[in-house]
Amino acid sequence: DADVTQTPRNRITKTGKRIMLECSQTKGHDRMYWYRQDPGLGLRLIYYSFDVKDINKGEISDGYSVSRQAQAKFSLSLESAIPNQTALYFCATSERRGGYNEQFFGPGTRLTVL
Amino acid sequence: RKEVEQDPGPFNVPEGATVAFNCTYSNSASQSFFWYRQDCRKEPKLLMSVYSSGNEDGRFTAQLNRASQYISLLIRDSKLSDSATYLCVVSRNTGGFKTIFGAGTRLFVKA
Repeated sequence: DADVTQTPRNRITKTGKRIMLECSQTKGHDRMYWYRQDPGLGLRLIYYSFDVKDINKGEISDGYSVSRQAQAKFSLSLESAIPNQTALYFCATSERRGGYNEQFFGPGTRLTVL
Repeated sequence: RKEVEQDPGPFNVPEGATVAFNCTYSNSASQSFFWYRQDCRKEPKLLMSVYSSGNEDGRFTAQLNRASQYISLLIRDSKLSDSATYLCVVSRNTGGFKTIFGAGTRLFVKA
């Protein structure tokens, strides 16, 4: 079984709809992250959480919100989806180990907003 | 200017060739450096961390030059299975946590 899972794997929705992407991990890591990937831009950090009570904005948090329901679960919400949120979304986890930050990624969610 | 920059390629090389990728970063407070590999439509996976002393893992060698703020990845004896996008990643935890991914360099290894 995969250590980091994401649901759904693919989603097509319409402008203005509320969407939730879910991430679960069995690695026992404290830290979890949400990224989006767009062609030619690399991965960009949306939100990150270093433990259950810690939520931080990344470089592109506008239009997104997150919830850390448990150590193993971190969900990303688009309150009112817009077409430029069409992207590949990745969840990742890492251990708490000082400045070292190897991240383990889920398989991604491909989101299309029409 | 992007904080982490890579040559997007693509690099087209024959099997057995040696290929080198470079990556530059602009923030001197960066602490951790990595190369990730990403296959088409798949998640990124850690290839190797990059240490100041340089490090090698089989056919792969990574180097870090803090003075010039660049990291490199050398792949020797390229295999068809090395075809992928290679992502340079830079991380720091001073003045707030930040992990920056480069946009990636595409590599095609051909028979």
